[in-house]
Amino acid sequence: GENVEQHPSTLSVQEGDSAVIKCTYSDSASNYFPWYKQELGKRPQLIIDIRSNVGEKKDQRIAVTLNKTAKHFSLHITETQPEDSAVYFCAASKQAGTALIFGKGTTLSVSS
Amino acid sequence: GAVVSQHPSRVICKSGTSVKIECRSLDFQATTMFWYRQFPKQSLMLMATSNEGSKATYEQGVEKDKFLINHASLTLSTLTVTSAHPEDSSFYICSARSRVGTDTQYFGPGTRLTVL
Repeated sequence: GENVEQHPSTLSVQEGDSAVIKCTYSDSASNYFPWYKQELGKRPQLIIDIRSNVGEKKDQRIAVTLNKTAKHFSLHITETQPEDSAVYFCAASKQAGTALIFGKGTTLSVSS
Repeated sequence: GAVVSQHPSRVICKSGTSVKIECRSLDFQATTMFWYRQFPKQSLMLMATSNEGSKATYEQGVEKDKFLINHASLTLSTLTVTSAHPEDSSFYICSARSRVGTDTQYFGPGTRLTVL
């Protein structure tokens, strides 16, 4: 089955710096890659997603890149703010509507 | 946006009892719902896929007789933890996919189960 690896497990940055989280996946049939932000005790919130027919997608300070050949995708957050502090999860799924397989998460801490 | 609710948000029960958790899609119809389990400071682990009108598909290592899933309508799926034990204590989260073709899954707020 699919296996998603995520790095780093923790990331500390200063406010205004950029943060990058990387994930790799094992199943070349995976074609949907969302990123979720989860604050303590709350539900995961979708922040951005990308499909395998696209190499990069951007939404304001957040961007995701996908390298299908290498089977890895990354989350980039620019101009980080303290409110960006949370746990971020990458995920992958093989086809529309199938279950998501999550990475282990990255705890991002943004200090002011 | 699509809203998914879960009830209850927290439940404490005695060992040996059963607990039912509801997952509802409030403003869309969900042919497929997913149940995840999350231990403290860990990732979401898929337990089962729930399809409306059919039997749930369980992930390897998840006991189907212990975690009963019913998806009786396009807006409701239930997870019943039977004969709960302390090791079943966890955060249970459901997600739902809109019936209209999309990959996006919307998560419920989760249910914190504590088994004494």
